[in-house]
Amino acid sequence: DIVMTQSPDSLAVSLGERATINCKSSQSVLYSSNNKNYLGWYQQKPGQPPKLLIYWASIRESGVPDRFSGSGSGTDFTLTISSLQAEDVAVYYCQQYYSTPFTFGQGTKLEIK
Amino acid sequence: EVQLVESGGGLVQPGGSLRLSCAASGFTFSTYWMHWVRQAPGKGLVWVSRIKTDGSSTSYADSVKGRFTISRDNAKNTLYLQMNSLRAEDTAVYFCARGTLVTDYWGQGILVTVSS
Repeated sequence: DIVMTQSPDSLAVSLGERATINCKSSQSVLYSSNNKNYLGWYQQKPGQPPKLLIYWASIRESGVPDRFSGSGSGTDFTLTISSLQAEDVAVYYCQQYYSTPFTFGQGTKLEIK
Repeated sequence: EVQLVESGGGLVQPGGSLRLSCAASGFTFSTYWMHWVRQAPGKGLVWVSRIKTDGSSTSYADSVKGRFTISRDNAKNTLYLQMNSLRAEDTAVYFCARGTLVTDYWGQGILVTVSS
């Protein structure tokens, strides 16, 4: 199984500042035949289901604010929130969908400083 | 509007069985792979299972393989998860989700509690 490890486990950022969450996979999730990274990012607020933010490592889902961006390739990925808003307080998860089981990272809790 | 509504959860004793359902609407159910993902209280997300559009291919997490069975009825636009030999560690909110690979729509989830 591919193990996904996020860092940090929790993060406190001031409003308007940048937030960066890292995700590392135990093996590459880059599929060479199509040059796509099989990596997604989700946001989960308390009492709600996860919401898809980013897929193919860097493609923003429709309706997601452009302050959210994804980057990285192979085994190392980053979710960046360029200017933190109060409504961004949540737990963020990365997930690989390169091979089953489609494993998630342990989550990163983002709070306001 | 895409909607996924889970049902069938509740309290069950260890060793017991439960069948979850996920009613889909607002999209052509038969053209999408579907997933089950669970989340133990206060914990992270764990992928459980996936089923192909026509039900001909399924995958499971090792922790549920041999005990859980995913299925679907495209005529009823419904996804199922048959859970047998339930254990305390299966206690979680179970979400159904749509998508071949990445999952773009999720239900609100249904709580399954395994306890004596």
